[in-house]
Amino acid sequence: AQSVAQPEDQVNVAEGNPLTVKCTYSVSGNPYLFWYVQYPNRGLQFLLKYITGDNLVKGSYGFEAEFNKSQTSFHLKKPSALVSDSALYFCAVRDEYNNNDMRFGAGTRLTVKP
Amino acid sequence: ETGVTQSPTHLIKTRGQQVTLRCSSQSGHNTVSWYQQALGQGPQFIFQYYREEENGRGNFPPRFSGLQFPNYSSELNVNALELDDSALYLCASSPRLAGNYEQYFGPGTRLTVT
Repeated sequence: AQSVAQPEDQVNVAEGNPLTVKCTYSVSGNPYLFWYVQYPNRGLQFLLKYITGDNLVKGSYGFEAEFNKSQTSFHLKKPSALVSDSALYFCAVRDEYNNNDMRFGAGTRLTVKP
Repeated sequence: ETGVTQSPTHLIKTRGQQVTLRCSSQSGHNTVSWYQQALGQGPQFIFQYYREEENGRGNFPPRFSGLQFPNYSSELNVNALELDDSALYLCASSPRLAGNYEQYFGPGTRLTVT
């Protein structure tokens, strides 16, 4: 079965600095990878996904993610963090043979300080 | 904001009772998934409905059941509530039954079992 690991519970960065939120995955076949963000008392909002093609994926709000097949990673990045980026970030995966069960990581809380 | 709505927003039930949660999918979306998000954890897949049929189920007991209606709205029913059922229940819809499609989440229903 597919699984996701987010090795950091918390990431702290200063406003204006680059940020990285890490994610590694395990699947049987080729992965479909997703990043979602959750603000307090809200549902999850889709940021970006990797399905196939270019390893660097660009998404909403200036976020991007790099797919690395050899390291089975899909790290979320942003060149310049904003205080408003502070939220809970979830990485998720399905494998290519599975069209229902999406597995989420435990989440990483990003705090951007002014 | 997505076009996915859930009701009620909050709910308090007593152990042993039954509960029904409701979800209206985004317009044009025929696939609905339900997730349980316990405090401090990532969402866990409960089940998915496609064209009124269950299409995949996670590791949840049979007392978790669901329905999807012809307008693609959905219900989650939980019988014989247990204290561990206290969580945020998220509904998500997608336009097609395919693993490479992202899901659009509702704001969730916060269930507290006492």
